Amino acid sequence: EPEVTQTPSHQVTQMGQEVILRCVPISNHLYFYWYRQILGQKVEFLVSFYNNEISEKSEIFDDQFSVERPDGSNFTLKIRSTKLEDSAMYFCASSDRENQPQHFGDGTRLSIL
Amino acid sequence: AQSVTQLDSHVSVSEGTPVLLRCNYSSSYSPSLFWYVQHPNKGLQLLLKYTSAATLVKGINGFEAEFKKSETSFHLTKPSAHMSDAAEYFCVVSRKDTGFQKLVFGTGTRLLVSP
Repeated sequence: EPEVTQTPSHQVTQMGQEVILRCVPISNHLYFYWYRQILGQKVEFLVSFYNNEISEKSEIFDDQFSVERPDGSNFTLKIRSTKLEDSAMYFCASSDRENQPQHFGDGTRLSIL
Repeated sequence: AQSVTQLDSHVSVSEGTPVLLRCNYSSSYSPSLFWYVQHPNKGLQLLLKYTSAATLVKGINGFEAEFKKSETSFHLTKPSAHMSDAAEYFCVVSRKDTGFQKLVFGTGTRLLVSP
């Protein structure tokens, strides 16, 4: 069964550094998403992306965050200047239509030192 | 605003006994409801979905859930627990008016299964 792939599985970064989290969505999917889960807290929506633009974003997704689909297969989340509170598990998801279930990757654990 | 409340943070059952994980939702619009499962160090796997068709929804691994609009509930059940069911379970809601794109998660219920 096709799956969403995320790399790396664990990223350790110094505070203030830029970090890029990578995702390869399921190949025929058109809608892409990022969520995060801070340890011990709920999974939270960050952003949805369709047709090469952001379709919805949460209040968490401020100017420090950006997303990009640089080619036909990858979908990335960039955090420009990381803060300690950015430490979390970041999940990428994709769906083939907007009202279809989202399929999640295994996540990237981001640790900010 | 929409939200989900998972009434139990932990549920413990013995192998072979029934499982009940409770979820209540709040949504001003026609909701879609989902249950996802997360095994340790793994991603979120879809168990089942409700999208305004049949109110009793069957999912994978013998799980099912019933949508009860009058009670705003979407409880997850399984007749007989298996050791491999031990995981974190999330009740999730999305809204038709936002194209179902933004998923809102509950806080999760950790299911413990003892031999």
